[in-house]
Amino acid sequence: GAVVSQHPSWVICKSGTSVKIECRSLDFQATTMFWYRQFPKQSLMLMATSNEGSKATYEQGVEKDKFLINHASLTLSTLTVTSAHPEDSSFYICSARPGSGEGEQYFGPGTRLTVT
Amino acid sequence: QKEVEQDPGPLSVPEGAIVSLNCTYSNSAFQYFMWYRQYSRKGPELLMYTYSSGNKEDGRFTAQVDKSSKYISLFIRDSQPSDSATYLCAMRNQAGTALIFGKGTTLSVSS
Repeated sequence: GAVVSQHPSWVICKSGTSVKIECRSLDFQATTMFWYRQFPKQSLMLMATSNEGSKATYEQGVEKDKFLINHASLTLSTLTVTSAHPEDSSFYICSARPGSGEGEQYFGPGTRLTVT
Repeated sequence: QKEVEQDPGPLSVPEGAIVSLNCTYSNSAFQYFMWYRQYSRKGPELLMYTYSSGNKEDGRFTAQVDKSSKYISLFIRDSQPSDSATYLCAMRNQAGTALIFGKGTTLSVSS
């Protein structure tokens, strides 16, 4: 149990275009989902926290107009990278916390974004 | 001082060795402690989850939390080449929602 999926797993896009990444909790309901960014050989950097039905809370330094997050249901959150640029190329990982869980947090497999 | 400190390694051990991975932290309010394993280009996989102090064992893995010393450990017994990965400690307090991660320790187990 506790499976989180992400789609797509890998995407290449041209500079200036937008990319949407989906995060789904497959076998549990997630009232809270998180989006992280990870650069090679570095740890995860929290970008934002989203709660179902409300606006996401962004970490300091993360542009909310560039990284649009929507948590439309208890099993789906999306991250849209708008007007992507090469410096947005990174590994994006979502995670979800079960509604009943106080601490566990399960991660998706990640999405590798390359902006050319 | 960072909230969570973790030696990045790399740590190289022969197959069958006992591996000890550690993190220290500064925030005494942390209550939930987790260890994740991450293979290259994959998402982190939850290995162990501990609430407050104490030990927890699951197969070859043992997690220990010493809140008095603000120190957590993950032990891997009979290490295997398939254990080669980056191990991340993570923790959060009771009221907060975001996990605070260590930098991760890269482990290599040679056959």
